[in-house]
Amino acid sequence: NAGVTQTPKFRILKIGQSMTLQCTQDMNHNYMYWYRQDPGMGLKLIYYSVGAGITDKGEVPNGYNVSRSTTEDFPLRLELAAPSQTSVYFCASSYDDINRRSNEKLFFGSGTQLSVL
Amino acid sequence: DQQVKQNSPSLSVQEGRISILNCDYTNSMFDYFLWYKKYPAEGPTFLISISSIKDKNEDGRFTVFLNKSAKHLSLHIVPSQPGDSAVYFCAATRMYSGGGADGLTFGKGTHLIIQP
Repeated sequence: NAGVTQTPKFRILKIGQSMTLQCTQDMNHNYMYWYRQDPGMGLKLIYYSVGAGITDKGEVPNGYNVSRSTTEDFPLRLELAAPSQTSVYFCASSYDDINRRSNEKLFFGSGTQLSVL
Repeated sequence: DQQVKQNSPSLSVQEGRISILNCDYTNSMFDYFLWYKKYPAEGPTFLISISSIKDKNEDGRFTVFLNKSAKHLSLHIVPSQPGDSAVYFCAATRMYSGGGADGLTFGKGTHLIIQP
């Protein structure tokens, strides 16, 4: 049972380079999220999606883009990498049930450590 | 402007004793609170939650207490075990009509160390 899978686990970028962080989940969850965690800080929401074809900005969306063409996949794109984007990135998913409070119980991937030099 | 605060970056507790992790929040609209646990090189995992209509929720060794008037919640772990050594994040959200979890606000985390 894979759950939420993120690739790559580590990456070093040069300033101005671009890359895509991959995220896929096999739990048929309709909600997916991208968070970043800076050292000594809590998780901050970058983008989220409530279903295929629907995405929305979170607290810190600048410098990132996302797409959700399928239920399973939610890639995060960095177009012009900057040192401020050095962070650990977590993808997560969640599902609906009758009481709707399951939405907040997130299932996280193991993270991508990104350094921009 | 931190809406969810975990003021203790780290906490050391002896094995077998009680661990108490604290969390304060400032947004009175928050009505649902969660604790996540994170091991190094892994993603956070959901631990326990509590709705604002309750003041206590238990799950095995883990109990979360909510004091709405003080805007304070705490996580109690009894007895503490070596495998409990991890970073614990407090998170809060409010009910709204859109669905999903775009409203989750996380604290900075407390690193719990269980000493043998």
